Amino acid sequence: QSVLTQSPSLSGAPGQRVTISCSGSSSNIGSNTVHWYQQVPGSAPNLLIHSNTQRPSGVPDRFSGSKSGTSASLAISGLQSEDETSYYCATWDDSLNGVIFGGGTKLTVL
Amino acid sequence: QVQLQQWGAGLLKPSETLSLTCTDYGTSYSGFYWSWIRQPPGKRLEWIGEINHDRSTNYNPSLKSRVTITMDASKTQFSLNLNSVTAADTAMYYCARGSRLELDDAFNVWGQGTMVSVSS
Repeated sequence: QSVLTQSPSLSGAPGQRVTISCSGSSSNIGSNTVHWYQQVPGSAPNLLIHSNTQRPSGVPDRFSGSKSGTSASLAISGLQSEDETSYYCATWDDSLNGVIFGGGTKLTVL
Repeated sequence: QVQLQQWGAGLLKPSETLSLTCTDYGTSYSGFYWSWIRQPPGKRLEWIGEINHDRSTNYNPSLKSRVTITMDASKTQFSLNLNSVTAADTAMYYCARGSRLELDDAFNVWGQGTMVSVSS
């Protein structure tokens, strides 16, 4: 099935650590690397993590990614008010032969 | 600095053809892949298709019958044509670039987006 599932919303207090999850299947996460994007309303997505765990230059090390089996996670430590926005996972799907995105998780910083 | 700049018509009538173009101002590299991605209001991102430096294309099966992605001779501009549009094609459209060798299929450069609305 060519679908990535994310919880629609998540909240955390400043300074806390939160984890955003992304669930897929053997045809996508199970056999390909996962990427994470941050999208501020009105702007294009910005690459946070690529290839499961790799941070592009300029991305704070508060952001980290992991993958296990057919699921992946984005962890954000030391939560800051500027982290309040939406996060999307993405990966290649072998059945689709293309990129698929999760439904997005809107993070609220309390 | 801006690396991908896109433009095209933002208001279409049903059955018309959506045409968008994206210029890549970055360094030329044979390993780049360029994609078009759209996001209907309040919905998830949807990959439309891609083209590489050799002009090989790959399309989302759900749109394949209506989509064409092309690249110009200089390999600095690539375009999206989506024909027979309906209201369901109303979305923010983005061009994006990645490199399979360095980033797998991630996109590290994005255009600014073009809002396309389809309405009679």
